[in-house]
Amino acid sequence: GESVGLHLPTLSVQEGDNSIINCAYSNSASDYFIWYKQESGKGPQFIIDIRSNMDKRQGQRVTVLLNKTVKHLSLQIAATQPGDSAVYFCAENNNAGNMLTFGGGTRLMVKP
Amino acid sequence: EAQVTQNPRYLITVTGKKLTVTCSQNMNHEYMSWYRQDPGLGLRQIYYSMNVEVTDKGDVPEGYKVSRKEKRNFPLILESPSPNQTSLYFCASSPGTGVSGNTIYFGEGSWLTVV
Repeated sequence: GESVGLHLPTLSVQEGDNSIINCAYSNSASDYFIWYKQESGKGPQFIIDIRSNMDKRQGQRVTVLLNKTVKHLSLQIAATQPGDSAVYFCAENNNAGNMLTFGGGTRLMVKP
Repeated sequence: EAQVTQNPRYLITVTGKKLTVTCSQNMNHEYMSWYRQDPGLGLRQIYYSMNVEVTDKGDVPEGYKVSRKEKRNFPLILESPSPNQTSLYFCASSPGTGVSGNTIYFGEGSWLTVV
């Protein structure tokens, strides 16, 4: 199918390097944040989440950092692999409702 | 296998011809939602449902309807489709009655073109 996100910011990294993908969120009342990975032709896939009472959370090869002061979220991927190539979205949940607001996405390209 | 299933996956239709995109989940999830994804705009929430017979508008509900008569199904209805509804649509579900702290599972997407 057609590739969505034709005008996405792109991060290009060498295989084995670490990747850092950034996201600025808009609502200071948001209390829950999620990173999703979307491969071509597929739906978004959950990677890692973090609540607003934390500033760091680690998973397998991934770390999410939250800076509430500047409303900034980042996803760090260690030892990036070709299979990590995808579009990455951050999403925030504002506690006013049960909705997720997604960022525009960043395309990660891993060079072998 | 736990999954969210959408149909059709690909559809080309004409302006004004009513259509329904079905969504079904087999995980007994309370929460279901619909998103549309457009280039440069990311995913935007259309409608969501926290349980049977409970539906709420998301960010972009205009031109869409939903229903939640059964827990597993959450169809998206376009009563009179217009070209600006050409998009990639995703259905999603999660356990519990909300988003916070609950992993959201997405379907594979439905490509809809309105001519």
